[in-house]
Amino acid sequence: KNQVEQSPQSLIILEGKNCTLQCNYTVSPFSNLRWYKQDTGRGPVSLTIMTFSENTKSNGRYTATLDADTKQSSLHITASQLSDSASYICVVIPTDSWGKLQFGAGTQVVVTP
Amino acid sequence: GAGVSQSPSNKVTEKGKDVELRCDPISGHTALYWYRQRLGQGLEFLIYFQGNSAPDKSGLPSDRFSAERTGESVSTLTIQRTQQEDSAVYLCASSLEPVSSYNSPLHFGNGTRLTVT
Repeated sequence: KNQVEQSPQSLIILEGKNCTLQCNYTVSPFSNLRWYKQDTGRGPVSLTIMTFSENTKSNGRYTATLDADTKQSSLHITASQLSDSASYICVVIPTDSWGKLQFGAGTQVVVTP
Repeated sequence: GAGVSQSPSNKVTEKGKDVELRCDPISGHTALYWYRQRLGQGLEFLIYFQGNSAPDKSGLPSDRFSAERTGESVSTLTIQRTQQEDSAVYLCASSLEPVSSYNSPLHFGNGTRLTVT
């Protein structure tokens, strides 16, 4: 079973609207949790990095939150733009494994005019 | 270059042939990772290099897969006797330090799309 589950699998939003993506994980213990944006045909690009002790981290219109007690993270996109259309991937880095990052399957976001 | 470079960007090969995928990490990055991404799925860990050593090869799916890194720089992923199930995007990433470090972002290349016919 995947240790990182993302929801929804996909969503369509109107340009200018906000949306929130969810990430539930079972990885424990972990050193940090990351959100990546992956455009079609490109490699993932880092959006935010949070340690287990951080609750929120912002990067422009992207805001990530982390609740280590409930093992949940969210990524909020404010005032969406057409360029936000991409797959958003939640990644959890276990403390006991240097290379085996645990990747979620991603949420495919489509922003329409 | 400024980023992680992978070549070729696309590769179509016949079943049973061998293929080599190349990754040029960001200069000075000691850690290098290979991942596989099947269509519509999450990234699957293959192998991790620290310098030229591979402390974790456990993600390689079979003995048809191998990888090496030289000069603490370029890495090559080799797939022998390719099968149709090997069709995927192979992504390489590098970081200045092992990614368990909070201050070590992971930088990805754009991948090699492998199609086995």
